[in-house]
Amino acid sequence: SQTIHQWPATLVQPVGSPLSLECTVEGTSNPNLYWYRQAAGRGLQLLFYSVGIGQISSEVPQNLSASRPQDRQFILSSKKLLLSDSGFYLCAWSEFWDRDTEAFFGQGTRLTVV
Amino acid sequence: AQKITQTQPGMFVQEKEAVTLDCTYDTSDPSYGLFWYKQPSSGEMIFLIYQGSYDQQNATEGRYSLNFQKARKSANLVISASQLGDSAMYFCAMRKAAGNKLTFGGGTRVLVKP
Repeated sequence: SQTIHQWPATLVQPVGSPLSLECTVEGTSNPNLYWYRQAAGRGLQLLFYSVGIGQISSEVPQNLSASRPQDRQFILSSKKLLLSDSGFYLCAWSEFWDRDTEAFFGQGTRLTVV
Repeated sequence: AQKITQTQPGMFVQEKEAVTLDCTYDTSDPSYGLFWYKQPSSGEMIFLIYQGSYDQQNATEGRYSLNFQKARKSANLVISASQLGDSAMYFCAMRKAAGNKLTFGGGTRVLVKP
């Protein structure tokens, strides 16, 4: 069966520090991968999605970047965090684009920038 | 561009009663999928139900049913016989069948009263 792992679960980082959140998927190949951010009590904002290794689509201009060094690994990064980067970050995967399957989510990372 | 609108930020429902959560969407694509997710306070995203744009019948999954009105571009979620454990945020989402983005609405918070 497929599983998705996302870590860490919580993170407190000072302004100006770097960030690296990692997400890995097991039990499938060539998944679509997504990074979402959720502000407190709000909806999910799509940040990045990837359809293959090295292929990243950015949805909103921001202080963050994403990379996909391996088929089932998706990394969210920042060189210098801003206070506005605080939020709940969710990684998700879904099967290849021509099938209407649901997305499966990781447990999320609660990031607080102080 | 895809757009999902959930007009109800929050609502109360009495235990054992039914509740309808509104969702409207905007797309020019003929083929797409609609999804509903539940997010309890723990933050995890739980897939509830899926409706394909070409499906002739409304989707049902246990106590969840989807009132799909394609001409009106609405996909309302109906939860029957509400339980205390149904208290959560509920998100409507859409994905084009030939695309890769899964776009979410702003969510509706449901609180079930005993």
